[in-house]
Amino acid sequence: AQTVTQSQPEMSVQEAETVTLSCTYDTSENNYYLFWYKQPPSRQMILVIRQEAYKQQNATENRFSVNFQKAAKSFSLKISDSQLGDTAMYFCAFPNTDKLIFGTGTRLQVFP
Amino acid sequence: DSGVTQTPKHLITATGQRVTLRCSPRSGDLSVYWYQQSLDQGLQFLIHYYNGEERAKGNILERFSAQQFPDLHSELNLSSLELGDSALYFCASSAAGSEAFFGQGTRLTVV
Repeated sequence: AQTVTQSQPEMSVQEAETVTLSCTYDTSENNYYLFWYKQPPSRQMILVIRQEAYKQQNATENRFSVNFQKAAKSFSLKISDSQLGDTAMYFCAFPNTDKLIFGTGTRLQVFP
Repeated sequence: DSGVTQTPKHLITATGQRVTLRCSPRSGDLSVYWYQQSLDQGLQFLIHYYNGEERAKGNILERFSAQQFPDLHSELNLSSLELGDSALYFCASSAAGSEAFFGQGTRLTVV
């Protein structure tokens, strides 16, 4: 069965610092996508970044980057220069042909 | 703006009632997913439609049903509502196998 695991229920970071959120997954597929979504207090679900498994290069979107380790089935999100607006729930997600599977989420608090 | 439109944004109704939530996917997206999120909980997958056909069912109650119409919009019908059905209901759309874009959600309160 395909699963997504986020082992950090809560994390905190000081403004301007760097934080890394962990995600592991399990799949027997070879080609797939992985995503990180952000859910701020407004509860809107916002796509942060995506990674294509066949690409060895880690995806980067401004201050957000991933560390994708395909063999280890690990997909962590690094947020650099954290800002107060980064305070949110972060969900790792993995799609198969039938549904998008989400992890349980990591609640990130950014402190001034 | 994700391009996915959900209506209504808020809904308050009494126990035992029936409601319909509507979703218009992004232009060109054939897949529509429905998710339920209770307060401080994760996203529970309910159902996936692709081009009018049901593709997958998750933990969807028998009191709930959904459909996707020829114009690709989708409706989620919730009947015999209970207090525990109060939640945020999300619709998301995607092209095959790619990222899903979420609507703003419908916040359902059952009183």
